[in-house]
Amino acid sequence: GENVEQHPSTLSVQEGDSAVIKCTYSDSASNYFPWYKQELGKGPQLIIDIRSNVGEKKDQRIAVTLNKTAKHFSLHITETQPEDSAVYFCAVNMNRDDKIIFGKGTRLHILP
Amino acid sequence: ETGVTQSPTHLIKTRGQQVTLRCSSQSGHNTVSWYQQALGQGPQFIFQYYREEENGRGNFPPRFSGLQFPNYSSELNVNALELDDSALYLCASSLDRNGGYTFGSGTRLTVV
Repeated sequence: GENVEQHPSTLSVQEGDSAVIKCTYSDSASNYFPWYKQELGKGPQLIIDIRSNVGEKKDQRIAVTLNKTAKHFSLHITETQPEDSAVYFCAVNMNRDDKIIFGKGTRLHILP
Repeated sequence: ETGVTQSPTHLIKTRGQQVTLRCSSQSGHNTVSWYQQALGQGPQFIFQYYREEENGRGNFPPRFSGLQFPNYSSELNVNALELDDSALYLCASSLDRNGGYTFGSGTRLTVV
């Protein structure tokens, strides 16, 4: 079955700096790659996603890049702010399975 | 503001008991998935329902069962509760089966 690895498990960056979180996956049939942000006491919130026919997607301070050949994708957050502190999950979906496989998460701390 | 609501928010049960968790999906979302999230881990797929029929299942025993109703609500039932069932249970709905899931805030189940 599909396996999703996410790194790092914890990341601390100075406010205003950039943060990068990386994920790798094993099944080349995967074709949908969402990123979720989870704050304390809440469910995961979709912040950006990318499909296999696109290499990069940007939404204001957040961007995701996808390398299908290498089977990895990354989340980039620029100009980080205190409200970016949360746990971030990458995930992978295959149409034929209709389920989302999550990474183990990255706890992002934005330092003042 | 999420369109997916779950109840109850917290629940304490004794080992061996049965529990029913409820989810109200966003209107028009005919796909609902349930996930189990242990502390410090990513959500694990339990099963998915599409138009009131089970449409995929993760690595969970048969004592985990579900129902989806025509009014976009659904249930997760767990029989013979075990201590390891203690977790946050998340419901996620989607307009179709091709990703784009909206998660609820979850039900925190504690089994003692």
